Parts: sequence; structure tokens; C-alpha cells
Amino acid sequence: DGGITQSPKYLFRKEGQNVTLSCEQNLNHDAMYWYRQDPGQGLRLIYYSQIVNDFQKGDIAEGYSVSREKKESFPLTVTSAQKNPTAFYLCASNGPGTRGKGGELFFGEGSRLTVL
Amino acid sequence: KQEVTQIPAALSVPEGENLVLNCSFTDSAIYNLQWFRQDPGKGLTSLLLIQSSQREQTSGRLNASLDKSSGRSTLYIAASQPGDSATYLCAPRGGTTDSWGKLQFGAGTQVVVTP
Repeated sequence: DGGITQSPKYLFRKEGQNVTLSCEQNLNHDAMYWYRQDPGQGLRLIYYSQIVNDFQKGDIAEGYSVSREKKESFPLTVTSAQKNPTAFYLCASNGPGTRGKGGELFFGEGSRLTVL
Repeated sequence: KQEVTQIPAALSVPEGENLVLNCSFTDSAIYNLQWFRQDPGKGLTSLLLIQSSQREQTSGRLNASLDKSSGRSTLYIAASQPGDSATYLCAPRGGTTDSWGKLQFGAGTQVVVTP
């Protein structure tokens, strides 16, 4: 089945450690996104990539880094510079949006990161 | 920057009642608007996608309307069932060069349908 796979589902990190969240899609989508969700808040965009080897900062990119070396993969690294990393992280992708159709966004199941 | 508001924040109804969920947004220059459902601890599931040129979109018991000029979308769920209990989020997608591809999410409406 086509879809988006995020791993791990749960992750615990000690303060000062970097962690990498995996996101893989087999939908042949060009655009991929990382969102962060905190309790009672809407999703906030961290980084997005519209094509391989290119990515842009979203609204809350500080303390995070990404790479896009393959179309299928868009890993997110949460660095020690991120002051409040405990959150639910969601990866998404969408196909091309032509006028009048397309552009539907699909999400993975999420990764919950807890800093101990 | 696009601001998205969803009212009410929470809603509890008995099974069989119709649900009406509201979404308002400040920037009407959108490409499309998507409604999602999120179950606790899970990712988002796409329910409906409305293009900016459309007035409404239907899928089964779900109907979403879009009034782009007034910055409003409404999700109607007919004959609610306990399985409809979830948080519903709306997300307009930017239609200008600067905002292209970015969805701005509302905080969601938490729905509980009691048997």
C-alpha cells in the first residue's frame, strides 16, 4: 500500500543529544513537510521540501535540520539547540497541485519525542 | 500571515445529530482548503479537499462548503456516529508566490458523539 512511514513511533532523548526522525514515502510525491504538534495547539511547520536537494525553513525551524537526498526520504534531526523538543512530530507529503485539482496532503502516523 | 480559527473548540452531541464545524481564515488568497480528522495519538487523515474554484465538496455523510471571499469553510457531518468522535482540523493552502505550498492549521474542534 502507498503511504508515509514514520519511525520510531516513540523516542526518548536525554538533554544535549541530537535525534533523527525518519520519514519515508512511496507515493512518488515531490513535496514533503515536517510539522510539530503541541497539546491544544495547531500544527506548526518546521521545514518543507518541494524537490530533491532543496528545502526551506518553515515557521519554527530553529533547533532543527533536514536533508532531502532522495525523493522518498525526508529525515528530521532535532538538535540540542532546540530548547523545548518534547512534542508530536508529523511528516506529510503531497503530489503536484494543478489548477482545479490535486495538492491533497497526506500524513504519516507521527513520532512522539520525549526529552528526559 | 494566515490566521485560522475553528469554532467551537469542543462539541458534544448525542448519536444521530448533525454536526456543524466552522473554520474561518484571514487571507482569502488560497489555492485550496483541506479538512482532516485526527484520532488521539495518531496522524491526520484527509477527509475532503476543496479547490478555490469550488463551493462545496461531498463524500458520504460529509459535506464541506467554501466561501473564499468571506474566509469561511464549514464541515457538515450528517447523522453522527460514535466513530465520528475525533478532532477535526481545517487547513487552507496559500495561493500566492510567498505562501505557496504552505498549509496553515487551525487548532481544531474536538468532537464527542455519545451513544
